[in-house]
Amino acid sequence: DGGITQSPKYLFRKEGQNVTLSCEQNLNHDAMYWYRQDPGQGLRLIYYSQIVNDFQKGDIAEGYSVSREKKESFPLTVTSAQKNPTAFYLCASKLYGTGGTEAFFGQGTRLTVV
Amino acid sequence: SQKIEQNSEALNIQEGKTATLTCNYTNYSPAYLQWYRQDPGRGPVFLLLIRENEKEKRKERLKVTFDTTLKQSLFHITASQPADSATYLCAPPSPNRDDKIIFGKGTRLHILP
Repeated sequence: DGGITQSPKYLFRKEGQNVTLSCEQNLNHDAMYWYRQDPGQGLRLIYYSQIVNDFQKGDIAEGYSVSREKKESFPLTVTSAQKNPTAFYLCASKLYGTGGTEAFFGQGTRLTVV
Repeated sequence: SQKIEQNSEALNIQEGKTATLTCNYTNYSPAYLQWYRQDPGRGPVFLLLIRENEKEKRKERLKVTFDTTLKQSLFHITASQPADSATYLCAPPSPNRDDKIIFGKGTRLHILP
């Protein structure tokens, strides 16, 4: 089955620790995205990547880092520099192109920092 | 700067009636708009895309319109059912043509039995 998989679904971390969220897709999509969603809020773009070994900051990149070493994988690290990391994180992928292609989302990772 | 506005208040509609959701955008002219559905605790799912040269697009009980003069897209669900209850997100492309997808805050729709 083709799709995009995020793991884990729930994650708990202590304050001050870095944590890495996994995102894998087997849809052969070039572009991948990380969004953050807070309760009652919309999706805010953290980072995106259009091609392997290249990525760009979104609107709220501070305190986050990413890598894109393989086409299928786009892990997100939430660093201790992120002031308020508790949130719902969504990964998405799509075919590259500005002509309008639908995005496929993972099931999300709910991160709680205590 | 560019803005996307959706009515972030919840919308309550009686089962069987038509639900109409609004997406307004300002300060740019998107070439298309996408609509997604998001259920609680899950990722959004693509529903429909409408391009600027299309006035209307339909898919089963869903209909989307795109008025470039009013800078508005309307999303309709006819013969609404309780299973249609969800948050609906409007998503135009980035105005910078950089392949980002930007989302409105969404409208929570409740279909009342």
